[in-house]
Amino acid sequence: DAGVIQSPRHEVTEMGQEVTLRCKPISGHDYLFWYRQTMMRGLELLIYFNNNVPIDDSGMPEDRFSAKMPNASFSTLKIQPSEPRDSAVYFCASSAAYNSPLHFGNGTRLTVT
Amino acid sequence: DAKTTQPNSMESNEEEPVHLPCNHSTISGTDYIHWYRQLPSQGPEYVIHGLTSNVNNRMASLAIAEDRKSSTLILHRATLRDAAVYYCILRDEGFGNEKLTFGTGTRLTIIP
Repeated sequence: DAGVIQSPRHEVTEMGQEVTLRCKPISGHDYLFWYRQTMMRGLELLIYFNNNVPIDDSGMPEDRFSAKMPNASFSTLKIQPSEPRDSAVYFCASSAAYNSPLHFGNGTRLTVT
Repeated sequence: DAKTTQPNSMESNEEEPVHLPCNHSTISGTDYIHWYRQLPSQGPEYVIHGLTSNVNNRMASLAIAEDRKSSTLILHRATLRDAAVYYCILRDEGFGNEKLTFGTGTRLTIIP
């Protein structure tokens, strides 16, 4: 079991550019979560999916952020246009069922200059 | 969401037991107590969870007070690899409550 796989591990981009973060959940897991971590705000839930359908996106900061899950093995988080305040570590997690533990990836460290 | 209160930081000596406290006075009857930890430069990792009875697994033990208003995560013999931020989280495990909301956690330092 390879665990949750995120790419890239690091992303540096200029303000105004589009950024796409990718996540491959553990095979067979029905839930996928996107979190963001900063020193100021800690770990924040952005959005989560159940069976590829977005369930709760109330944590998405604004319209510049969008997330998709086209199939059970892939999800993307897109920021367009990016801003320096979006700099953070973005984590993806998956779980097998609604009451199962979450398994996190190693994150993508995003720096927007 | 019911809230938890944890000390910001703790220190412990290597090879000694560690007791990490968590207060959750507003816990509801359907809230499970979850513990996750985050090692440096890694994503959070599940440690243990329980409802009413004490729980043990290969990583740790969870002791839950009789009134459920507090709990303690016990690492029986700390190693340097246990240095991490430990999060105590309440989670209603009913369907439709899948969110896991993290607080600020306890930063555990292990002294060699």
